[in-house]
Amino acid sequence: GAVVSQHPSWVICKSGTSVKIECRSLDFQATTMFWYRQFPKQSLMLMATSNEGSKATYEQGVEKDKFLINHASLTLSTLTVTSAHPEDSSFYICSAEPIQGPQETQYFGPGTRLLVL
Amino acid sequence: GDSVTQMEGPVTLSEEAFLTINCTYTATGYPSLFWYVQYPGEGLQLLLKATKADDKGSNKGFEATYRKETTSFHLEKGSVQVSDSAVYFCALRLSGYSTLTFGKGTMLLVSP
Repeated sequence: GAVVSQHPSWVICKSGTSVKIECRSLDFQATTMFWYRQFPKQSLMLMATSNEGSKATYEQGVEKDKFLINHASLTLSTLTVTSAHPEDSSFYICSAEPIQGPQETQYFGPGTRLLVL
Repeated sequence: GDSVTQMEGPVTLSEEAFLTINCTYTATGYPSLFWYVQYPGEGLQLLLKATKADDKGSNKGFEATYRKETTSFHLEKGSVQVSDSAVYFCALRLSGYSTLTFGKGTMLLVSP
């Protein structure tokens, strides 16, 4: 089946530093990838939709200058949390929609847990 | 706006018990409805889906019927197993849009 990986799986950083999270589709190509954020006991909240070769579309309330998204190829999207602060600590999940395959299907990565000290 | 409401967990059952996890939705259009499952340490996996009213999605013994009149998509399984222990997410997707709107998730714990 289609597999999406994320790296790292967890990261601890100091306040003020930047953290990059990678999302890769391992066995399929995806023009569209999605980034979600999940707080404990809360739903997945869509942060942004990333299309290969173009600027990401951010959801209302998400700071695009803080959460930089790059979708440089059909198998890789990155999320960079710039100048991270403790309130950015969360679980970040990506998903990818295959170019070919069942319609309306997103494949999810296992998530990256970020802790900002 | 569009939203999905799920019953709060955890739901604790003994093996072979009957499972129901309630899900209702609010949407401005005619959505497709999904159930995703997240096993410990893994990403969300699509469990089943239904794209129009009265459709029944089914997979691995799980079923859910798209009820437009009650705006519901309840997940059911006749006999749960310990391996079904996971978090289950109900979600909707409006026609013509690529984004998913999720419920908060319901943790299921099945004991032997």
